[in-house]
Amino acid sequence: DADVTQTPRNRITKTGKRIMLECSQTKGHDRMYWYRQDPGLGLRLIYYSFDVKDINKGEISDGYSVSRQAQAKFSLSLESAIPNQTALYFCATSESGTGNEQYFGPGTRLTVT
Amino acid sequence: AQKITQTQPGMFVQEKEAVTLDCTYDTSDQSYGLFWYKQPSSGEMIFLIYQGSYDEQNATEGRYSLNFQKARKSANLVISASQLGDSAMYFCAMREAGGADGLTFGKGTHLIIQP
Repeated sequence: DADVTQTPRNRITKTGKRIMLECSQTKGHDRMYWYRQDPGLGLRLIYYSFDVKDINKGEISDGYSVSRQAQAKFSLSLESAIPNQTALYFCATSESGTGNEQYFGPGTRLTVT
Repeated sequence: AQKITQTQPGMFVQEKEAVTLDCTYDTSDQSYGLFWYKQPSSGEMIFLIYQGSYDEQNATEGRYSLNFQKARKSANLVISASQLGDSAMYFCAMREAGGADGLTFGKGTHLIIQP
């Protein structure tokens, strides 16, 4: 079984709808992240969490919110989806420290029409 | 200013040749880590190699090596004996000790290996 899972894998939604993307991990890591990837660009950090009680904004948090329901679960919500939020969304986990790689989920491809 | 710069949007390389993917970075932190990830057309992010700012030796992982030149703030990925399966997007990323905890990515290099 995959260490980091994301649901759904693909989603098409309409402008103005609220949508939640979910992430679960079995790595036992405290740190979890949400990134988005636009075509031709690298990944950009949306939110990150050190633990259940510690959530922080990343580079591009406007229009998004997150919830850390448990150590293993980190969800991303788009309160009112807009077309320019169409992107590939990745969840990742890591141990603390600059030397630790991040383990990525398979990604969720979101289209907002 | 961009923190991670990858100047090669696309590269074509003959199979079995070595290839170097360029990456320069910008940070004022003394402690940081540099990573390379591969993203095939299927979309997943695959970790390749890591270099720490205090590491004196260049990192190696199988056919991958990282040419780390700290004074020049350069962390180029070298793939030896390229294979058709190496065709993918390659991203350089940095994790800094200060600031937001997370990876800062470059825009990537699209590598195509030709038979």
